[in-house]
Amino acid sequence: SQKIEQNSEALNIQEGKTATLTCNYTNYSPAYLQWYRQDPGRGPVFLLLIRENEKEKRKERLKVTFDTTLKQSLFHITASQPADSATYLCALVHNNAGNMLTFGGGTRLMVKP
Amino acid sequence: DVKVTQSSRYLVKRTGEKVFLECVQDMDHENMFWYRQDPGLGLRLIYFSYDVKMKEKGDIPEGYSVSREKKERFSLILESASTNQTSMYLCASSLGDSSNYGYTFGSGTRLTVV
Repeated sequence: SQKIEQNSEALNIQEGKTATLTCNYTNYSPAYLQWYRQDPGRGPVFLLLIRENEKEKRKERLKVTFDTTLKQSLFHITASQPADSATYLCALVHNNAGNMLTFGGGTRLMVKP
Repeated sequence: DVKVTQSSRYLVKRTGEKVFLECVQDMDHENMFWYRQDPGLGLRLIYFSYDVKMKEKGDIPEGYSVSREKKERFSLILESASTNQTSMYLCASSLGDSSNYGYTFGSGTRLTVV
């Protein structure tokens, strides 16, 4: 069966350090992958989309990598700040149907001052 | 900025009631989605609509129906609410194919069925 796995344990890091979150998937052959941020009690907010031929994508302090051989995406936040504390979700296309996304369970990031 | 508005932040309904959750987007997006989010289960797709009057089932459509009579509005209907439908319901929209566009989510409706 298809699975998207994100570490369910919270990631605690010190302000200023780089946070790295992992998204692993099985039985998918995604051409792209998306990352979202979700704050408590709110809907997710779209951050980045990376395609299989891009390997790496950056947006300000965010960097995403996509390794289709390892079936893994890494999400990095450099120079992390307490305001980066949130849950981060990765998402893949649902059963190869172009418009529906399936989301991972998310990883909660806590950045301590 | 695209805005997705869900009509209620919190709702409490009784078992057996018919419940309507409304979602409106203001940027002419083609696609609209309903998800529910539960602790430990993450976001699960209930229904998807890619055009007016068009719909596709997601992973957990049982006990739900949807209506899209106008492009900007996508309604989720619980025909006979049950306690296991207590959840956070999230509506989303997107301009086009998810290979190019992310979703814009509403703030969610926290539904409690008693």
